[in-house]
Parts: sequence; structure tokens; C-alpha cells
Amino acid sequence: DAKTTQPPSMDCAEGRAANLPCNHSTISGNEYVYWYRQIHSQGPQYIIHGLKNNETNEMASLIITEDRKSSTLILPHATLRDTAVYYCIVRVASSGNTPLVFGKGTRLSVIA
Amino acid sequence: GAVVSQHPSWVICKSGTSVKIECRSLDFQATTMFWYRQFPKQSLMLMATSNEGSKATYEQGVEKDKFLINHASLTLSTLTVTSAHPEDSSFYICSARDPRTTSKTGELFFGEGSRLTVL
Repeated sequence: DAKTTQPPSMDCAEGRAANLPCNHSTISGNEYVYWYRQIHSQGPQYIIHGLKNNETNEMASLIITEDRKSSTLILPHATLRDTAVYYCIVRVASSGNTPLVFGKGTRLSVIA
Repeated sequence: GAVVSQHPSWVICKSGTSVKIECRSLDFQATTMFWYRQFPKQSLMLMATSNEGSKATYEQGVEKDKFLINHASLTLSTLTVTSAHPEDSSFYICSARDPRTTSKTGELFFGEGSRLTVL
């Protein structure tokens, strides 16, 4: 799986959009970008994933650059409950028999 | 999405005793489960891959005789920390693939985690 690079920490004001960047310059054509988050003392939670088109669900939006070398996770209206470590992971979608490999992620602090 | 449950959510034990942590897939059959360990302020580290009906595959540096994994049914994998010591204190998390969805989306589902404290 391709390597990803994320900033170690970010702050966001409550109610504002949180934009979390991820670099994955060595991504292969068949690799998807996945985002998970881990709230303190809980297991990771799936947020969203995409291949090349932008994706949106009830939790977040995922913007992938045209060259697919980077992406941004957007939480449109961050709340205090969004404070967590966010992990950007790149992997082939069909590799369900293989585990997720976690980097260090970005620690997002949402501030009142 | 699919539900994975762990038990206990936290456990405190004395040094030298053994502790068993259960990981269950509640609404699907999981032929493969993954066990992770997470120390404070660190990321999740894969310990082993648990396969139903066969031996687990351990990552380099993880002692298979100390961390016993049993995946005896399609809905249950157990991790037993044998002769636990304070350095084994950690947050243990399991993950599973749901064959109904994972083969298409690649998404894996995680348990709530089990915090082990060894005194």
C-alpha cells in the first residue's frame, strides 16, 4: 500500500469546516483513499473512501486532486464530538483479506 | 454497517496472570479478523491475523506463545495474553472483514477496544 503523509495536529473552531489534508504521491491506479477516525479510547470508525471522484456522505466530503497525489477530508460543520485522530490510508479496495496499516494520523482538536 | 464487539472493554489483572479478550462479529460471519495493539499516544500496530479454522499469522516481533489467538468459529476470535506483565498494558483492538461488503469496498470494521492494565 502507498505511504501517506498527514500533519500531526490541527485545530478547528466549533461550527467551522475542518479541512484535513493527506499526501499520497506514490498512489497506484487501483488504490483507493480511505479515511478513518479514532475518538479517544474507542476503536477506529470508517468515515469515507474514494478512488478519483469527489465523494460525500452524511459524515464528510472527500476531495481528491486530479493527479490523485493528495486529498482533503472535509467536516463541514465541526462539533466538539469530532475531536479525534484522523487516519488517511491508501489501499486496494479488493484487498479485504489484508489489514489496514495505520500511520500516525492527524489529531484534530475542535475548540468551542 | 457491520458490528464488531469486544469484551471486556477494560480489565485489570495482576502480573503473571492470563487475560482473555473476545472479539465477536454480531451480524456477519468473519473468516478473517485482525488484532491490533495501541500504546498511549501511538498509532495502532498490527499484532496478528486470525483465520477461522487455522493458525494465526503473527507480525514480526510479536510472541505467538505469549499472545494466543483462537478463531474457533466464524463469529468469534479470542486473544489471550499469557503471563501478563506491566509492559503488556495496552489498548487491544480487533477488526474484521464483512464478506458481504469488504471484497467490494475494502472497508474493515473495528471493535470498541479492550484496555488492559497489568499491575
